[in-house]
Amino acid sequence: EVQVLESGGGLVQPGESLRLSCAGSNPDFNSYAVSWVRQTPGKGPQWVTSISANSDTTSYADSVKGRFSISRDYSRNTVYLQMHSLRAEDTATYFCVIFASRGEVRFDYWGRGTLVTVSA
Amino acid sequence: EIELTQSPGTLSLSPGERATLSCRASQNVRSNYVAWYQQKPGQAPRLLIYGASRRATGIPDRFSGSGSGTAFTLTISGLEPEDFVVYYCQQYGTSPLTFGGGTKVEIK
Repeated sequence: EVQVLESGGGLVQPGESLRLSCAGSNPDFNSYAVSWVRQTPGKGPQWVTSISANSDTTSYADSVKGRFSISRDYSRNTVYLQMHSLRAEDTATYFCVIFASRGEVRFDYWGRGTLVTVSA
Repeated sequence: EIELTQSPGTLSLSPGERATLSCRASQNVRSNYVAWYQQKPGQAPRLLIYGASRRATGIPDRFSGSGSGTAFTLTISGLEPEDFVVYYCQQYGTSPLTFGGGTKVEIK
């Protein structure tokens, strides 16, 4: 089993940048695709971005395309979410998630989330 | 992008009763790749059901899922006190994966 832990959230002003980290508990983390999902209070979660296990494939929600970038460091068992030109509507709790399956059995690993607040 | 509409927004029931939660998709969900999540306050969502009807590991059998195409249902038979929280559906058959807006199950 893999545990994931997010860090890097905080309060920033509109237009500023922030980098979130998602650290896996063991090297098995590196064999999974990793996603970021965000959520505001009282709303459903929203997928933000994903990176494949070998980093060949990345994908982004239209709302963050061109502003956010996902990457991974295999030596640190870590995935990063670099966020630029932050807007008030980016305010949310950001979860690092592994959506995976073993054969026909699906399983998820979610972190506890890190809060990003964009406000003047 | 497939939009998911959950109903009702809030369901008021008593412990021991049956809860029926609905999730409708704006188009057919490929291979019925619909999941249901439970979220308690201050926690991450927890996977309950995937593939429309398969229970995730460790999930009690009072939780069941059904449906196909665009209409899916989560049923909780015999509500326990810890079940009075929020539930979300998710489709993962078509990129981007999307979530519904949630149904809150509250104590009547």
